[in-house]
Amino acid sequence: DAGITQSPRHKVTETGTPVTLRCHQTENHRYMYWYRQDPGHGLRLIHYSYGVKDTDKGEVSDGYSVSRSKTEDFLLTLESATSSQTSVYFCAISESSTSWETQYFGPGTRLLVL
Amino acid sequence: AQSVAQPEDQVNVAEGNPLTVKCTYSVSGNPYLFWYVQYPNRGLQFLLKYITGDNLVKGSYGFEAEFNKSQTSFHLKKPSALVSDSALYFCAVRDSNAGNMLTFGGGTRLMVKP
Repeated sequence: DAGITQSPRHKVTETGTPVTLRCHQTENHRYMYWYRQDPGHGLRLIHYSYGVKDTDKGEVSDGYSVSRSKTEDFLLTLESATSSQTSVYFCAISESSTSWETQYFGPGTRLLVL
Repeated sequence: AQSVAQPEDQVNVAEGNPLTVKCTYSVSGNPYLFWYVQYPNRGLQFLLKYITGDNLVKGSYGFEAEFNKSQTSFHLKKPSALVSDSALYFCAVRDSNAGNMLTFGGGTRLMVKP
């Protein structure tokens, strides 16, 4: 999985609790992304980062925040988890933002919000 | 806005037969097209991409894809399917006019039967 790890791999939490997911890369790539995967929707971009402390919103950013204090780590936080945030979360990385650049994905985190 | 459609939720094929997984796209600029495969409980693995040039793109594991500009399609193909090809396949597009956003189709489950 291209030098990308995600933690935890599985998490069960309750509605209203904060949750933080971590993505760690060893490729020294500048760009990092958080996606969620839901049946029938493919993957949808939540947030992305184009450098340390540089982040931007994606298609489905409501209810999520991110932080990147080091090149290798990109954190996704659900401030107050809701059942609609039950999903599989994938981190991805890419070396640049050119249109033809390939994104490489981590193994995913399965989150269940009860 | 860019979009991708994978019209088949599932494709069934017998081992040894050729397979096709369909993808159509819509962009305003030039399309950059990608295919990914997801095995159970794994992240997405990059298969191949179309940037420019030859309309037939060859990728990993014997897969290839044909870019057809007039039909706005990028179908994934393999001459002889293997049971181990059974997985979830995603088509994705990036529009040269749409910044860094990679848009995914909903996915097609390929079932190869012995």
